[in-house]
Amino acid sequence: QKEVEQDPGPLSVPEGAIVSLNCTYSNSAFQYFMWYRQYSRKGPELLMYTYSSGNKEDGRFTAQVDKSSKYISLFIRDSQPSDSATYLCAMGKAAGNKLTFGGGTRVLVKP
Amino acid sequence: GAVVSQHPSRVICKSGTSVKIECRSLDFQATTMFWYRQFPKQSLMLMATSNEGSKATYEQGVEKDKFLINHASLTLSTLTVTSAHPEDSSFYICSAGGQDLLTDTQYFGPGTRLTVL
Repeated sequence: QKEVEQDPGPLSVPEGAIVSLNCTYSNSAFQYFMWYRQYSRKGPELLMYTYSSGNKEDGRFTAQVDKSSKYISLFIRDSQPSDSATYLCAMGKAAGNKLTFGGGTRVLVKP
Repeated sequence: GAVVSQHPSRVICKSGTSVKIECRSLDFQATTMFWYRQFPKQSLMLMATSNEGSKATYEQGVEKDKFLINHASLTLSTLTVTSAHPEDSSFYICSAGGQDLLTDTQYFGPGTRLTVL
């Protein structure tokens, strides 16, 4: 079993819909939780960062962390075709340490 | 802020040659840099972690004599693929983290596409 599980998709939604992404994990030592967006043939771009449990909102993006359930989520409101990309969740045990990535979810937002 | 660059963005080389890829943090001091490789439609695979001024720590299964990593300064790390072969063709991405960043996370470079003929 992988340490971090993420549905590979593809997840196809119409423009303007809410995109809901999630990851589950098995290691309770994870304290830092991140979401990255990666366009084809590009490096990942940091979207959201959360330390420990809780919610965080930034523009159209909302990240949620539930450590008791070992479950994290990313919501994208008012999705746009430009949001079509692969979304990677990542987790770390301590600052500066290596991250463990999910396999990525491919998202397609159709005009 | 937190910009990471990579050079070159794309390289094509003949089998048996060595290729060097540079990773730079442009606006912060990167105490730790990470090197990943990514195959098409797959997630990132961590190759090694490097701290400035010390030897890199390689992940299991990664040949340290083939993938030479140097982190000589707080803004530059290099990955040298020695005696490259076609199976080394991949997308190589670096990331950097630093104590002076607001978030204790990693920022990625744009990646380098290596094709070995």
